[in-house]
Amino acid sequence: QVQLVQSGTEVKKPGASVKVSCKASGYTFTGYGVSWVRQAPGQGLEWMGWTNAHNDETNFAQNLQGRVTLTTDTSTSTAYMELRSLTSDDTAIYYCARGFGKLDYWGQGTLITVSS
Amino acid sequence: QSALTQPASVSGSPGQSITISCTGTRSDVGDYNYVSWYQHHPGKAPKLMIYEVTNRPSGVPDRFSGSKSGNTASLTISGLQAEDEADYYCSSYTSSATYVVFGGGTKLTVL
Repeated sequence: QVQLVQSGTEVKKPGASVKVSCKASGYTFTGYGVSWVRQAPGQGLEWMGWTNAHNDETNFAQNLQGRVTLTTDTSTSTAYMELRSLTSDDTAIYYCARGFGKLDYWGQGTLITVSS
Repeated sequence: QSALTQPASVSGSPGQSITISCTGTRSDVGDYNYVSWYQHHPGKAPKLMIYEVTNRPSGVPDRFSGSKSGNTASLTISGLQAEDEADYYCSSYTSSATYVVFGGGTKLTVL
């Protein structure tokens, strides 16, 4: 069965960086892209970006351009999201999900707290 | 402010039908048949309920249906059940530099 398993909770200080992993199983990793979505406390879902696991093509939400890097490691079927220059506004649950517009399988979420 | 507009809340009694709207523009909902709907129970991962406006993934009950007219997409849930109580989000492709946009979410309460 398709599964996406994410890395665990992190607490970071303002200005730091964080890297979240998303290990896929149960399907051909290079046959799909991986999207990243976040949800800040009390807020809705926000699409962050997408990476094509086949050719590393990426697209990002405009407001995150320059601060986020999306990569994949096809040898381990793992996708990564790195976010830099963290502020308190980046405190959120971060999800990876299979696909681009149609997100049919989701990871369990990773809580990132940014606090001094 | 979200790019797609949804009502903050809707409610219905068990067995009733409800509809959640998702209003965008000609740059997103109006121009693409790539509208998806997600059900989100707090503390759990979102679940895909509808994709490409009207399609249901395997395993989603046919009580859930999607439609679109102009710049507005809709999710209808018929025969409401207690377990349908959740937050619902729409999303769409967009021709803007954001690529994919979500609605602000709608809290469904089953009375």
